[in-house]
This record gives sequence, structure tokens and C-alpha cells, in this order.
Amino acid sequence: GESVGLHLPTLSVQEGDNSIINCAYSNSASDYFIWYKQESGKGPQFIIDIRSNMDKRQGQRVTVLLNKTVKHLSLQIAATQPGDSAVYFCAESDRDDKIIFGKGTRLHILP
Amino acid sequence: ETGVTQSPTHLIKTRGQQVTLRCSSQSGHNTVSWYQQALGQGPQFIFQYYREEENGRGNFPPRFSGLQFPNYSSELNVNALELDDSALYLCASSTGRSNYGYTFGSGTRLTVV
Repeated sequence: GESVGLHLPTLSVQEGDNSIINCAYSNSASDYFIWYKQESGKGPQFIIDIRSNMDKRQGQRVTVLLNKTVKHLSLQIAATQPGDSAVYFCAESDRDDKIIFGKGTRLHILP
Repeated sequence: ETGVTQSPTHLIKTRGQQVTLRCSSQSGHNTVSWYQQALGQGPQFIFQYYREEENGRGNFPPRFSGLQFPNYSSELNVNALELDDSALYLCASSTGRSNYGYTFGSGTRLTVV
């Protein structure tokens, strides 16, 4: 079936370093990918998205990379801050328009 | 401009009971999607409503049903509650028959005992 998964359930990063969160997807029909951040007690918050006709997109301190050949998505956070501590989900969407989420990676910032 | 609001924030129900969760979409949004998020898991798509009609459904039994009203607010109803229905229920709104620009509410935490 269609699924989105993540390589690591927990990632610990030193404050100020760059974080890289990885994600694998299995549905080759997916044409839209999104990264969400979810803090405790809150709903998912949109971070950045990318369409399948692109391989890189940059935002403020974040970059999403898409490798369609190996069905891999990554989120890079530059100069990680304590406020970046959260669970990060990659999600994909196909022509049915529903968004499918992965299980999430918890980002832990070390002082 | 207000965001997506959900009510109640927390709820405890007994197995076998019925529950109704409510969602007010963000101003200007006419599409509402509902998700179930079990502890430690990613949100799972339940269904989506666009202009008061169901526009896609995930792998959930018929006892999960919904409504969308003319003002684009929405309800999620769950009948014959089971212990496994305990989860965070999230509502997301967007514009058009699209998943772009999804805005999520903070969710309703449902506990079934």
C-alpha cells in the first residue's frame, strides 16, 4: 500500500548545528510533498513544500530536497535552535488530493 | 483572520457511546479534512469535505461519519466508540479541491474508557 516512512524516530542535534531529517516514500504517483512540524499539544504546522517537478526548495533556514529516483525526501534546518524541538512529519499527496503522513521524527536539541 | 478552531479540546467517553467533534475552518477556506492521530503516530486521513459533500475517504469504518455546513464548518461523528478510537482528532482546512495551504487546528484529544 501507499506509505510514507522515516529512517530515524529520534534525532539529537547540538544547538547551532544543522539538522537533516530524512524520509522515504513509496508511492511513485505522489506529486506533492510537505514537511510539517508538530509541537506538543498542537496540530501540525506547515514548514515547506515541494512539487515533484522540482528537486530543491529553500525557505527561511529550511531546505527541502527531493530525489525521485530513490523516492527520498529530506528536510535541512540550518543553525538549529531550541525552538526547533518538535516532531517532524513528511507527507505526500497524490492525485486523490489526500495527504498521507509518515510516522514522524522527534528532533531533540542539545544545549 | 482566524485559524482553524476545534472543540472540545479534550473529551472522555465510554466504550459504545457516540461522540461529535466540531471544527471551524479558517476564514476563506471551503474544504475540511479530518485526521486521526494515535499516540506516537502520524495523522491518518479519515475523510475530506468540499462544499458540503464528501470528497474522499480513508480506510475508516462507516461508524466514522461527517458533515460540512454552508458556512464550511464541519463535524466528525463516531458511533459505537471502541478503545482504539482514543486519539487526537485533527481538522485541517484549505481552499478548493486541494491539499495546498492546509491549516490544522490543535485537535480534540478523545479518550475512550
